[in-house]
Amino acid sequence: GQSLEQPSEVTAVEGAIVQINCTYQTSGFYGLSWYQQHDGGAPTFLSYNALDGLEETGRFSSFLSRSDSYGYLLLQELQMKDSASYFCAVRVLPWDSNYQLIWGAGTKLIIKP
Amino acid sequence: GAVVSQHPSWVICKSGTSVKIECRSLDFQATTMFWYRQFPKQSLMLMATSNEGSKATYEQGVEKDKFLINHASLTLSTLTVTSAHPEDSSFYICSAGEGGSSYNSPLHFGNGTRLTVT
Repeated sequence: GQSLEQPSEVTAVEGAIVQINCTYQTSGFYGLSWYQQHDGGAPTFLSYNALDGLEETGRFSSFLSRSDSYGYLLLQELQMKDSASYFCAVRVLPWDSNYQLIWGAGTKLIIKP
Repeated sequence: GAVVSQHPSWVICKSGTSVKIECRSLDFQATTMFWYRQFPKQSLMLMATSNEGSKATYEQGVEKDKFLINHASLTLSTLTVTSAHPEDSSFYICSAGEGGSSYNSPLHFGNGTRLTVT
């Protein structure tokens, strides 16, 4: 079967740095995405890695190692508004095909003042 | 950026009635839209892939006669929950991609519809 594993919950302090890991086992791999979802809201796209390495977007960075089937989302200078659930998702079909994603169960990030 | 509009944002209905949820891509055309269901504190569960001009593709275990999907145009897909029952109460979310060959094109999500069946 296909699966993604990520921690169910992570706690961090405001202003700190936190890393959310994701390991995957899928039939195909065309990229790892990260989405943020606040309680009661819809997921919003954060980042996408198709190739190995680090992608940086402001306070958020995402890393991918295809040989290890592993990636992580790094959040720096944590703010209270970053409290949310974070989902990793793998795109298992080619880029010009549909956008079907396999989703992780989500990591609830709790930020304390 | 690309916007997906979903309506209604919440609905309460009586058991046995049907509810229609609309999903529109506002500034791009979406040949494919996806319908998800999410239970509290759980991940998104893909229900079906909606293809413009053709029948939807349902995931295993999803009743196609209960969850009717229509994708009549490149900007609109609808999900109708027929003969709703309390166990259908959930958060339903649609999403669409902008298409093309851009490898990093993200999925854009609607704001979701919280359905409560009494």
